[in-house]
Amino acid sequence: DAGVIQSPRHEVTEMGQEVTLRCKPISGHDYLFWYRQTMMRGLELLIYFNNNVPIDDSGMPEDRFSAKMPNASFSTLKIQPSEPRDSAVYFCASKGGAGGYTFGSGTRLTVV
Amino acid sequence: QQQVKQSPQSLIVQKGGISIINCAYENTAFDYFPWYQQFPGKGPALLIAIRPDVSEKKEGRFTISFNKSAKQFSLHIMDSQPGDSATYFCAASNEGGSQGNLIFGKGTKLSVKP
Repeated sequence: DAGVIQSPRHEVTEMGQEVTLRCKPISGHDYLFWYRQTMMRGLELLIYFNNNVPIDDSGMPEDRFSAKMPNASFSTLKIQPSEPRDSAVYFCASKGGAGGYTFGSGTRLTVV
Repeated sequence: QQQVKQSPQSLIVQKGGISIINCAYENTAFDYFPWYQQFPGKGPALLIAIRPDVSEKKEGRFTISFNKSAKQFSLHIMDSQPGDSATYFCAASNEGGSQGNLIFGKGTKLSVKP
């Protein structure tokens, strides 16, 4: 298995632009998580899905952030409009059954 | 009550020494306690995990000690090596309650000096 695949690996965008981050979970995993990592706040859970249904989006910072999971093999996290304070590494992780997550390699987002 | 508190924030250990990282939690419903290891530019990777029915779990040089009454658990790295230099995160979840989301500690940056 190729693991959790995220794209792009790096994204540099100008303030006000729309940013879309993509994730392909491990086949057969029924949970998908989006995390944001910064030096100041560590790993923050933004939203998670179970069987493609959003379960908890209380960590989404504000209405500029949205996430979708149209099918079991694909999820997106969109920021519109982006702001410099959104600069962070965004991780997607998936989980199947009991046990730990498998994280992707992350997308490093820089908003200038 | 959902927090997991991790200490220390950073740790420097000599090669061959023992690295110890501690975590504490409040929610007694937590029933799964993993540790993750993260290298620069990579995502966190599951290192070792424990459930509250045992007090210790060992995998190679890595050991989790679990104290249910104190609501604390710790990671011990024996014979620490420079290759162990990474950031370590403890976490907890309530899998029995069908909540799959892990609550992470803030992380400990470990540096092992040769």
